[in-house]
Amino acid sequence: EVQLVESGGGLVKPGGSLRLSCPASGFTFSSYCMHWVRQAPGEGLEWVSSISYYSTYIYYADSVKGRFTISRDDAKNSLYLTMNSLRDEDTAVYYCARSQGIGNYGMDVWGQGTTVTVSS
Amino acid sequence: QSVLTQPPSASGTPGQRVTISCSGSSSNIGVNTVNWYQQLPGTAPKLLIYNTNQRPSGVPDRFSGSKSGTSASLAISGLQSEDEADYCCAAWDDSLKGYVFGTGTKVTVL
Repeated sequence: EVQLVESGGGLVKPGGSLRLSCPASGFTFSSYCMHWVRQAPGEGLEWVSSISYYSTYIYYADSVKGRFTISRDDAKNSLYLTMNSLRDEDTAVYYCARSQGIGNYGMDVWGQGTTVTVSS
Repeated sequence: QSVLTQPPSASGTPGQRVTISCSGSSSNIGVNTVNWYQQLPGTAPKLLIYNTNQRPSGVPDRFSGSKSGTSASLAISGLQSEDEADYCCAAWDDSLKGYVFGTGTKVTVL
C-alpha cells in the first residue's frame, strides 16, 4: 500500500523549533518529488515547500523562507521539514505529499497530517 | 497566502450540476496546468483532477475540469451526497516559483 505517515508535530513556544518526518512506503520514494502543505485551523491549504528528486531543486513559500528547511533521505525513504523560529501563524496541520514532478503535476498521495501548535 | 480565488460556497440538490470557479493570473493558471483537490471533513486532501482536465484512477467521471485564460473550473454533474466536501484548486506560479492554492469552496448537497 502506498503510504505517507507524518510525525513530529506538537506544542512549541514561539521562537522554538520542531522537525517533522514523513516516512514513505509502497512506492519508489527516490523517483518522486515531495512537498509539505499546511492548513491552519479553519483555513485553506497553503503550500510550504517542495523538493525534487536528488534534492536538485528546492522551493519555499515566502512565509517560511529562511526559517524552514526541507530535506529528504532516499536511503531511509523519508522526507523532513526542520522548522526554526516558529511563530503563532505557523500553527497548522502539516501534510506531506508526493508528485511525479514539480510544477505541472498533481500531488497524488497525501499523508494524514501532523499538528503543529505554536503558543506560549 | 492564497493567490487563486474561489467562491466560498456552492450548493445543489442531488442530481444537479455544480460548477466551481478558480481565478488566477498570467503567472499561474495562464501558463500552467490546474489541479483540483477534494477534502472531506477531518481528512487529508485527495487529488481529484490533474493536468487541468484529467481524472486519476478511481475518480468518477461526473467530475470534470477545464481552463480558459487565467481561470479554471471544476464541474460536478449528477451531484451526490458524498460529494459534500471542500474543493480547492492549485497551480504552479512561475513568478513566485511555488505552488498557489485556491481559497477553497465548500460544496453543500441540499
